[in-house]
Amino acid sequence: NAGVTQTPKFQVLKTGQSMTLQCAQDMNHNSMYWYRQDPGMGLRLIYYSASEGTTDKGEVPNGYNVSRLNKREFSLRLESAAPSQTSVYFCASSSSSGGVLGSGANVLTFGAGSRLTVL
Amino acid sequence: QKEVEQDPGPLSVPEGAIVSLNCTYSNSAFQYFMWYRQYSRKGPELLMYTYSSGNKEDGRFTAQVDKSSKYISLFIRDSQPSDSATYLCAMCRYGNKLVFGAGTILRVKS
Repeated sequence: NAGVTQTPKFQVLKTGQSMTLQCAQDMNHNSMYWYRQDPGMGLRLIYYSASEGTTDKGEVPNGYNVSRLNKREFSLRLESAAPSQTSVYFCASSSSSGGVLGSGANVLTFGAGSRLTVL
Repeated sequence: QKEVEQDPGPLSVPEGAIVSLNCTYSNSAFQYFMWYRQYSRKGPELLMYTYSSGNKEDGRFTAQVDKSSKYISLFIRDSQPSDSATYLCAMCRYGNKLVFGAGTILRVKS
């Protein structure tokens, strides 16, 4: 069971460069998310996709774009990387019926993370 | 003020100790409360999940919710070195997005 797979695991960029983080899940989940994790800040939501074909901003969306390519894949793009985007990025998915606004608790399954350094 | 406050630690205890991890929150609408465990350089994984107030036990782990005080706890009995990890509390309203605490680093010394 692969669960949630993220690539790449590590990346070093120079300021102004662009890159895309890839995420795929094989659990047939409707909802997918991108978080960043910084020391002392916990997990902060960047963007999410409640279902295929929809995306919405989270808490810290500036400087990022996302694409929900199909039900399995959700990518995060940095168009012009900045040192403030140095972080560990996590993709997650959930099965919550109806997506984020569905019933019950929003239990997330996370990927292993992508560690990004912007110089 | 953050919606969810969690002491970042680190908390260092000897093997076999009882560990208490805590979070406070400000939004009285939160109904679902979770604890995620995150090992170093790994993604968080769900450890326990409770709805509304009360206790829930799973092996050496007990999750406790006190909605009147807006306070949740995770107790670990007979702690083991393998319990060394970051523990994140998380909570949400009915069907809504999760709000995470900053995480507490726990070190269990053998």
